[in-house]
Amino acid sequence: GNSVTQMEGPVTLSEEAFLTINCTYTATGYPSLFWYVQYPGEGLQLLLKATKADDKGSNKGFEATYRKETTSFHLEKGSVQVSDSAVYFCALSYGNKLVFGAGTILRVKS
Amino acid sequence: GAVVSQHPSWVICKSGTSVKIECRSLDFQATTMFWYRQFPKQSLMLMATSNEGSKATYEQGVEKDKFLINHASLTLSTLTVTSAHPEDSSFYICSVGQGMNTEAFFGQGTRLTVV
Repeated sequence: GNSVTQMEGPVTLSEEAFLTINCTYTATGYPSLFWYVQYPGEGLQLLLKATKADDKGSNKGFEATYRKETTSFHLEKGSVQVSDSAVYFCALSYGNKLVFGAGTILRVKS
Repeated sequence: GAVVSQHPSWVICKSGTSVKIECRSLDFQATTMFWYRQFPKQSLMLMATSNEGSKATYEQGVEKDKFLINHASLTLSTLTVTSAHPEDSSFYICSVGQGMNTEAFFGQGTRLTVV
């Protein structure tokens, strides 16, 4: 079946630290991969996406590369800010549905 | 991307009453919308796929008589939690997908508290 596994949180970092949130997936076929971000009390916002192997999605300083050989889509940011504190979800699509990982809480301290 | 609006953003209701949550696609005609449920500090669980002009498709374990879905137009889907109980308290989120293997766009969510 289709599933997404994310590293457990919370992840606590100081401002300007480097961020990595690991995400691996299991899927039949070739899904598209996404990172969504959720701020407290809000819905999800698309952060970035990649639709095929070796694609790199990027947005607001965040990046993730679709690695077919390792079935991974790790999220990275070179220098986090307090405003990046949120919950991050890795997801894959199959057909018109999405499968989400458990989410990783990120806390950035000033 | 599509703009999706949910209403209300939060609601408190008494046990035994029913609550309706609306999901509107403001700039996109959606033949399909999705309803999710999210428990505190947990991921999203797909409840059902709402299909315009036909019956919703429910995920395994979701009671269709408990969670009534109506998708009467291309811009509006509603979720009604019938005879709500405290265990129905949760965060409900709708989304609109714009095609196969493409991203979904989410409403801001509705926090339901049943007392």
